[in-house]
Amino acid sequence: DAGVIQSPRHEVTEMGQEVTLRCKPISGHDYLFWYRQTMMRGLELLIYFNNNVPIDDSGMPEDRFSAKMPNASFSTLKIQPSEPRDSAVYFCASSTPTSGTTEAFFGQGTRLTVV
Amino acid sequence: AQTVTQSQPEMSVQEAETVTLSCTYDTSESNYYLFWYKQPPSRQMILVIRQEAYKQQNATENRFSVNFQKAAKSFSLKISDSQLGDTAMYFCAFNAGNTPLVFGKGTRLSVIA
Repeated sequence: DAGVIQSPRHEVTEMGQEVTLRCKPISGHDYLFWYRQTMMRGLELLIYFNNNVPIDDSGMPEDRFSAKMPNASFSTLKIQPSEPRDSAVYFCASSTPTSGTTEAFFGQGTRLTVV
Repeated sequence: AQTVTQSQPEMSVQEAETVTLSCTYDTSESNYYLFWYKQPPSRQMILVIRQEAYKQQNATENRFSVNFQKAAKSFSLKISDSQLGDTAMYFCAFNAGNTPLVFGKGTRLSVIA
């Protein structure tokens, strides 16, 4: 398997624009997580899905953020409108605890810069 | 709520020497898992080592080993024979079964030639 695939790897956008980040989890994994990494706050969980259903979105900072998982092989994280304070690295990760291990496998992240 | 604390924001070690990174956690769960992830400048998150709380034996992976003290809720990472490629951010993480990983703030390790 190619691992968790995120796109784009880098995104630069202007304040107020819509941004969509994409993620393809590892095939067969039934959990998908979105994390945000900043210098100040470290790695924060934004939202996670189990079998395509959102389980906990309490980490989503505001209504400008939304996430979907229309099928087992694809998820999006959307920010609309974007603001400079959204600049961060966004990670997608997937896991399958039923395999006996619970670690998450991470994509390479999307570095978002909002100017 | 579970919390993970890494008290050393930065550390450095000479090449070929041994270094220990500290991590403490807080939880009321009885069955849980602990991890160390490495994040090199490429920003890829790489699993270094895992420990199941029900196992008393400390996990080892080549030059990496942990000192798991369940009663003290401590989970330190020892890197032996440090190499330049070990230079990275190291994150301690915790989860309880199907719950998401909770991360510490990380320790930036520099290996000096």
